[in-house]
Amino acid sequence: EVQLVQSGAEVKKPGESLKISCQGSGYSFANYWIGWVRQMPGEGPEWMGIIYPGDSDTRYSPSFQGQVTISADKSISTAYLSWSSLKASDTAMYYCARQTGASGTIDSWGQGTLVTVSS
Amino acid sequence: EIVLTQSPDFQSVTPKEKVTITCRASQSVGSSLHWYQQKPDQSPKLLIKYASQSFSGVPSRFSGSGSGTDFTLTINSLEAEDAATYYCHQSSSLPHTFGQGTKLEIK
Repeated sequence: EVQLVQSGAEVKKPGESLKISCQGSGYSFANYWIGWVRQMPGEGPEWMGIIYPGDSDTRYSPSFQGQVTISADKSISTAYLSWSSLKASDTAMYYCARQTGASGTIDSWGQGTLVTVSS
Repeated sequence: EIVLTQSPDFQSVTPKEKVTITCRASQSVGSSLHWYQQKPDQSPKLLIKYASQSFSGVPSRFSGSGSGTDFTLTINSLEAEDAATYYCHQSSSLPHTFGQGTKLEIK
């Protein structure tokens, strides 16, 4: 069974850094793209970007380029989403998701990591 | 960026009713259009991939159709458990995008 397990909820202050994780199991982690999706309270999902853990090829949405960093460590089947300086507007639920290709569908989702940024 | 516009935004329906949700793309996405269901406090779940292909384990009352810019998700004989928000998603070109969602309320 494909599973994506994300790290727990975070409460941070503006300006702090953060790295959240997503560990995959039940499939060959290196051979599937992993994407990150933001969902702000009461809003629809927003696609942030994807990474291919096999070679770390990464694609970003222009809306998120330069705002976050997507990375992966295939040796431990884990993908990451990180911020160097959080803003209050980064408060949201973040999902990792397995994509069947760079142009593929999302066939499995993590449980979500709630990030709250507040002074 | 391709914009996906869903209609309606909200619909209140009775059990056993047939429901149709549409998704219109600002430019052609071919058949790279997918549908998800999201219930409160849950992650989205894939229902239909590539416009019309049912995903494993999804009840047969869910079906999809369309290509190019106009797509439809149909739920035949609605059940109470189908109360959720439904999203379309295009993976034809980067950045991938989602529709704004259609919330279904069961009367």
